[in-house]
Amino acid sequence: QSALTQPASVSGSPGQSITISCTGTTSDVGGYNFVSWYQQHPGTAPKLMIYDVTNRPSGVSNRFSGSKSGNTASLTISGLQPEDEADYYCSSYTSSTTLVFGGGTKLTVL
Amino acid sequence: QLQLQESGPGLVKPSETLSLTCTVSGGSISSSNYCGGWVRQPPGKGLEWVGSIFYSGATYYNPSLKSRVTMSVDTSKNQFSLKLSSVTAADTAVYYCARMGTNFRLSDHWGQGALVTVSS
Repeated sequence: QSALTQPASVSGSPGQSITISCTGTTSDVGGYNFVSWYQQHPGTAPKLMIYDVTNRPSGVSNRFSGSKSGNTASLTISGLQPEDEADYYCSSYTSSTTLVFGGGTKLTVL
Repeated sequence: QLQLQESGPGLVKPSETLSLTCTVSGGSISSSNYCGGWVRQPPGKGLEWVGSIFYSGATYYNPSLKSRVTMSVDTSKNQFSLKLSSVTAADTAVYYCARMGTNFRLSDHWGQGALVTVSS
């Protein structure tokens, strides 16, 4: 299975909004509303930020939001804060009953 | 609060079998709404799903690893385990265990990760 496609890096200034894309196929992202997003700071385990495309777990800031159009899912972070600087990964359930991750996006807060 | 903890050897020789166990505390692993999963991350690289196991014993593996992976669950000990055979240096990674929802739609609790190095 092929990894989902994410930009290698994005950046933004504090207070700005950024969007990270996650492109798959009709067999994964486009076929199911089972897309998740994870935030990972260096040396730590990933943290769930969004699940089922748009849902935020309890405790996750409402500055984080998710959406999907066709085969591309997106994570938007509004009001960027220095602590948002991290790696972000998307994942999706697939038609083969497997899970596939994106390659990851490094977010730099300028 | 649900907690997961990986345990196992940190060093494995090439061609041998990597074995890790995930112990779950603060809650029962016997739920039809969740399964246990393994995700690995080679140094400096991204996340890769290894596989998942439901508490019924049903397993699902990454196709690229399927021939070498075996997962099992022990509900009496609240544990699930991973075995990866015929390892090479390419299997060197931090291995995370996680609680995953049905359809692997989320992984909401993760272990801290266990670095496994494959080297002679």
